Amino acid sequence: AQSVAQPEDQVNVAEGNPLTVKCTYSVSGNPYLFWYVQYPNRGLQFLLKYITGDNLVKGSYGFEAEFNKSQTSFHLKKPSALVSDSALYFCAVSDMEYGNKLVFGAGTILRVKS
Amino acid sequence: GAVVSQHPSRVICKSGTSVKIECRSLDFQATTMFWYRQFPKQSLMLMATSNEGSKATYEQGVEKDKFLINHASLTLSTLTVTSAHPEDSSFYICSARPGTATPLHFGNGTRLTVT
Repeated sequence: AQSVAQPEDQVNVAEGNPLTVKCTYSVSGNPYLFWYVQYPNRGLQFLLKYITGDNLVKGSYGFEAEFNKSQTSFHLKKPSALVSDSALYFCAVSDMEYGNKLVFGAGTILRVKS
Repeated sequence: GAVVSQHPSRVICKSGTSVKIECRSLDFQATTMFWYRQFPKQSLMLMATSNEGSKATYEQGVEKDKFLINHASLTLSTLTVTSAHPEDSSFYICSARPGTATPLHFGNGTRLTVT
């Protein structure tokens, strides 16, 4: 069975500073990893995915994520945070490429202060 | 881009009544849709997979008689919470995949409050 851990309930960062939201995963086969963002009372918006290939994945709104197989991590990053990036971020894993069943982490609240 | 629409966005109902939530794929056909539930400050849990023209597949621990799913067309799936109770109060989100090799797209969710 696959699982995802997001060790930080909340991440605080000043506007303009780099941000990192951490995610580690566990899956029996090849991991297929995703990041989604959720704004209050809204659904999830897809940010980026890792299926195969380059370990550094670039996504929407300037976000990127680094896949590290040895550390089983898939941390979300952005070089310069914006106040508008403040939201709830979910990491998710599937054991099948574009598998139907996504297992989500508990989520990390990102607060960017001006 | 692919859009998944949910209606209503918020609903308040009395205990014992039933509530229907609609999930539509606006610009693509979806033979499969997924229903998730999210408790406050918690992650999303997959409830069931809705299959067009056939029975839904429910995750372990989800009561199929309580959460009725109908996928009557390639663009519409409905979730009906029957005989709702306060513990059914939650945020329900549907999702669908525009193509076989695409990520899931989510609706904006429905906040259900049972009084």
